[in-house]
Amino acid sequence: GENVEQHPSTLSVQEGDSAVIKCTYSDSASNYFPWYKQELGKRPQLIIDIRSNVGEKKDQRIAVTLNKTAKHFSLHITETQPEDSAVYFCAASNTGNQFYFGTGTSLTVIP
Amino acid sequence: DTAVSQTPKYLVTQMGNDKSIKCEQNLGHDTMYWYKQDSKKFLKIMFSYNNKELIINETVPNRFSPKSPDKAHLNLHINSLELGDSAVYFCASSHIRTGGDTQYFGPGTRLTVL
Repeated sequence: GENVEQHPSTLSVQEGDSAVIKCTYSDSASNYFPWYKQELGKRPQLIIDIRSNVGEKKDQRIAVTLNKTAKHFSLHITETQPEDSAVYFCAASNTGNQFYFGTGTSLTVIP
Repeated sequence: DTAVSQTPKYLVTQMGNDKSIKCEQNLGHDTMYWYKQDSKKFLKIMFSYNNKELIINETVPNRFSPKSPDKAHLNLHINSLELGDSAVYFCASSHIRTGGDTQYFGPGTRLTVL
């Protein structure tokens, strides 16, 4: 089965700096890679996703890159703000009915 | 209107009891899921249902059983609760399509087994 690894497990950045979270996956058949943000006590919510036919996708301050050859994908957050503080999860899917999540990254943005 | 809802939000019970958590989605999605999030925040998929058929049954104890009366509902029944079952349980839904699609999560049910 698929194995998704996520690093780092914790990340602290100064407000305004960039944050990068990296994930690797093992199953070359995986073709859909969503990122979720989970605030304390809340549900995970999709912030951005990428499919295997695309190398990069941006949405305002958030971007995701995918390297299929190396089987890794990354989340980039620029100009971080305190409200970006949360736990971020990457995931990989190959059929839509199996989602494998990374272990999460706790991001703290220091004002 | 809430897209994916769960009840109850909190559930405190004694070991050995049987309990159920309900989930409903009004998004017209064809697939629903149950996840367990433990104290370390790891999200593990437990089940998914597509058109009333169980697609995935991960290695969860058979004390856990999903029940789907219709496409909009996927309830989770847990028999003989154990201390290790304490966690937050999330329901989610999506459309199945080649390459996957966005999952929408419910608000979660915090289960505490005493």
